[in-house]
Amino acid sequence: DTGVSQNPRHKITKRGQNVTFRCDPISEHNRLYWYRQTLGQGPEFLTYFQNEAQLEKSRLLSDRFSAERPKGSFSTLEIQRTEQGDSAMYLCASSPSILAGGSYNEQFFGPGTRLTVL
Amino acid sequence: GDSVTQMEGPVTLSEEAFLTINCTYTATGYPSLFWYVQYPGEGLQLLLKATKADDKGSNKGFEATYRKETTSFHLEKGSVQVSDSAVYFCGSGTSYGKLTFGQGTILTVHP
Repeated sequence: DTGVSQNPRHKITKRGQNVTFRCDPISEHNRLYWYRQTLGQGPEFLTYFQNEAQLEKSRLLSDRFSAERPKGSFSTLEIQRTEQGDSAMYLCASSPSILAGGSYNEQFFGPGTRLTVL
Repeated sequence: GDSVTQMEGPVTLSEEAFLTINCTYTATGYPSLFWYVQYPGEGLQLLLKATKADDKGSNKGFEATYRKETTSFHLEKGSVQVSDSAVYFCGSGTSYGKLTFGQGTILTVHP
């Protein structure tokens, strides 16, 4: 397994357009997390899934944002009607099940998708 | 809510110098504490962790001790190398995996 992958790596869009990002976690990990990172700041939690269930959403995740993990494998994050304030790095992470001896706090991060909204 | 504060950066050191990056946290309950590192062009990687008071996490010569009385988790290394140049993030985590990060500290080590 080559780790967590994210596509695309970079996305430039115009304000008002919709964008969708994809995250492929490490295959045996049942937890998947999305974070947002702006320049000079640490990652901020957005939401997380256990298998296909979305268990928590941050208040940062406005109604323009939606995330899915339909089959408990890959996940998508969609932003509708993008705004310039959405420009950031969007990070995905996964963690193994504690039943498999893992820890939810030991997360494996992907390289991120950098979004620029013009 | 939970928060993590790291010392202001960036930090520039010569090779073999001693490193300290300060980190303090506020949290409800008893969080786990972490240091993640991000090398240029790569994703965040877990460097070390501690899950309860007085635990010491260590990896690659880096150490940090969970100090509940001072709500701190300072990162130290006795002799840094050029290859340690990276961004270091202190973080706290809940039992279900919600991580809260500090703003990051850029470390540059010169030969």
